[in-house]
Amino acid sequence: GAGVSQSPRYKVAKRGQDVALRCDPISGHVSLFWYQQALGQGPEFLTYFQNEAQLDKSGLPSDRFFAERPEGSVSTLKIQRTQQEDSAVYLCASSSGIGETQYFGPGTRLLVL
Amino acid sequence: QQQVKQSPQSLIVQKGGISIINCAYENTAFDYFPWYQQFPGKGPALLIAIRPDVSEKKEGRFTISFNKSAKQFSLHIMDSQPGDSATYFCAADSGAGSYQLTFGKGTKLSVIP
Repeated sequence: GAGVSQSPRYKVAKRGQDVALRCDPISGHVSLFWYQQALGQGPEFLTYFQNEAQLDKSGLPSDRFFAERPEGSVSTLKIQRTQQEDSAVYLCASSSGIGETQYFGPGTRLLVL
Repeated sequence: QQQVKQSPQSLIVQKGGISIINCAYENTAFDYFPWYQQFPGKGPALLIAIRPDVSEKKEGRFTISFNKSAKQFSLHIMDSQPGDSATYFCAADSGAGSYQLTFGKGTKLSVIP
């Protein structure tokens, strides 16, 4: 595709539900990042993949957050037992290599009630 | 600890005027400083970026000024247009590890006709 795509664009979950957010990076991009953007704030780093390897997960806020990229392309961010504080926009970005420009998707807006 | 401080939080500029947004950083390991533009409902898009070996970079109406000794950098938008109305984020990365971006909190720019 022409850019990074994410689905769903909007997700409403009841507190305690599990959710899965999908990211389709730009074809051929080896690096993939997940960021969390709270309302009125800048994006904050969650985790980073180089191909299928998750090399940095230092930004994941708790063990309820889990990300995978099993074949080195599509990635899924899973949040278990969602809490109200998880409400945010989850952004995915990809780049062609280490230190290259990160291109962002439109994000998934998650609302936990 | 906020590693990249951005100001002002919001900015209103007349059409044709100059918009100036400032950022300061603390981590001397940062060596790449991009600016992203974000429209409502969209992901951030790279606008312009600079590395610390130069003090200024200009692309069209957009200029980054960089002061390494003061650990500050700024975005200048010349001849501001209503279409420039968006939220602008400065960011930095350390050029090592996962190359994650550390973002400022953003500046909401409104350009009025």
